[in-house]
Amino acid sequence: KAGVTQTPRYLIKTRGQQVTLSCSPISGHRSVSWYQQTPGQGLQFLFEYFSETQRNKGNFPGRFSGRQFSNSRSEMNVSTLELGDSALYLCASSLGEGAGESYEQYFGPGTRLTVT
Amino acid sequence: QQQVKQSPQSLIVQKGGISIINCAYENTAFDYFPWYQQFPGKGPALLIAIRPDVSEKKEGRFTISFNKSAKQFSLHIMDSQPGDSATYFCAAQISGGGNKLTFGTGTQLKVEL
Repeated sequence: KAGVTQTPRYLIKTRGQQVTLSCSPISGHRSVSWYQQTPGQGLQFLFEYFSETQRNKGNFPGRFSGRQFSNSRSEMNVSTLELGDSALYLCASSLGEGAGESYEQYFGPGTRLTVT
Repeated sequence: QQQVKQSPQSLIVQKGGISIINCAYENTAFDYFPWYQQFPGKGPALLIAIRPDVSEKKEGRFTISFNKSAKQFSLHIMDSQPGDSATYFCAAQISGGGNKLTFGTGTQLKVEL
């Protein structure tokens, strides 16, 4: 079974630009969550999508947005990039919503975004 | 507001020794506590998890100890091996609160020969 796929793996953007990151979940998984990982702030929850609906949102500005398609693939978009947006963006997929082994979240390798 | 505090930030253990990582949480609504292991260039991977109705859970060399009254839990890695060298994150989740994980700040473990 293929794991979570994230594209691109590496990205360099200039301040003020916008970026779109893609996540393909494990086949059959309907929930996708996004996290930002930085050395200073650690792993922070961005948002979660289940059946194309945003279910949860973290404390990030409106420049961060996402969506989920009918095939469960998800994209996140960051507009008007700032230097502080440089981070590893991780996507996690799960069968559904819930806490427990049945709903284990599988993380992708991440997209390394560098804003210059 | 950091809801899950993790210590130490880094840890060096000799091969065969015991690695201990501690976490404390504030929100009593948390009811699922997973630990993740992350190697460089990879995403975090679930290692072991526990619910607060259990005081200890063991899987192979990995054990979680849970103290509900103190709102603390810890990961013990017995017979630590160089292959265990990675960053470890504790996390907390609320049942019914979707899939949002609140992570600790991470512990970089190095197991020396």
